[in-house]
Amino acid sequence: DSGVTQTPKHLITATGQRVTLRCSPRSGDLSVYWYQQSLDQGLQFLIQYYNGEERAKGNILERFSAQQFPDLHSELNLSSLELGDSALYFCASSVASLAGGSNEQFFGPGTRLTVL
Amino acid sequence: TQLLEQSPQFLSIQEGENLTVYCNSSSVFSSLQWYRQEPGEGPVLLVTVVTGGEVKKLKRLTFQFGDARKDSSLHITAAQPGDTGLYLCAVWDSNYQLIWGAGTKLIIKP
Repeated sequence: DSGVTQTPKHLITATGQRVTLRCSPRSGDLSVYWYQQSLDQGLQFLIQYYNGEERAKGNILERFSAQQFPDLHSELNLSSLELGDSALYFCASSVASLAGGSNEQFFGPGTRLTVL
Repeated sequence: TQLLEQSPQFLSIQEGENLTVYCNSSSVFSSLQWYRQEPGEGPVLLVTVVTGGEVKKLKRLTFQFGDARKDSSLHITAAQPGDTGLYLCAVWDSNYQLIWGAGTKLIIKP
């Protein structure tokens, strides 16, 4: 158990809909990262928040948005869903915000999103 | 083109055999990480290598960072069914992003 929790574990929805994925980081971790893992693209970094502020942005679509709340939990909002958005979405947390070998990320169990 | 090329993509061997998987790039990195991901779970960090030529051991797993810091290998001695999983290498880029290889899917048959 990494200490990172994600809900829900599974989500099935239809094209065009909007969903919200939730992540609670490990106690004491200020950084939250969101990743998408699909069969054809592998693991892709989406976005990072540090202590409530956006720190880095990756290959995140404009239809997707995220935020980190004062209690440090984070939500990833996916709207106007398409079939191609079906994937595993992982949240990770770390103590620090900087890139580098000493900044270990701890991953949650993921949310499996299926868009029909 | 992937920044990190992992090979082989898939490997299925018998328990007790040795194996090596690779993570290659044409770029130079300050550090490189190896993760293992089991079905239904998120990746778990195994090791971070920092110095060119560095060798790190984790029980039966041996990790090596290339002298030029462009590539890395993971060698498993006497593989066991518990080693089954997706092995991923990853590096940090200058924009605070962790860039991932596509992974090697390893199956160890009892």
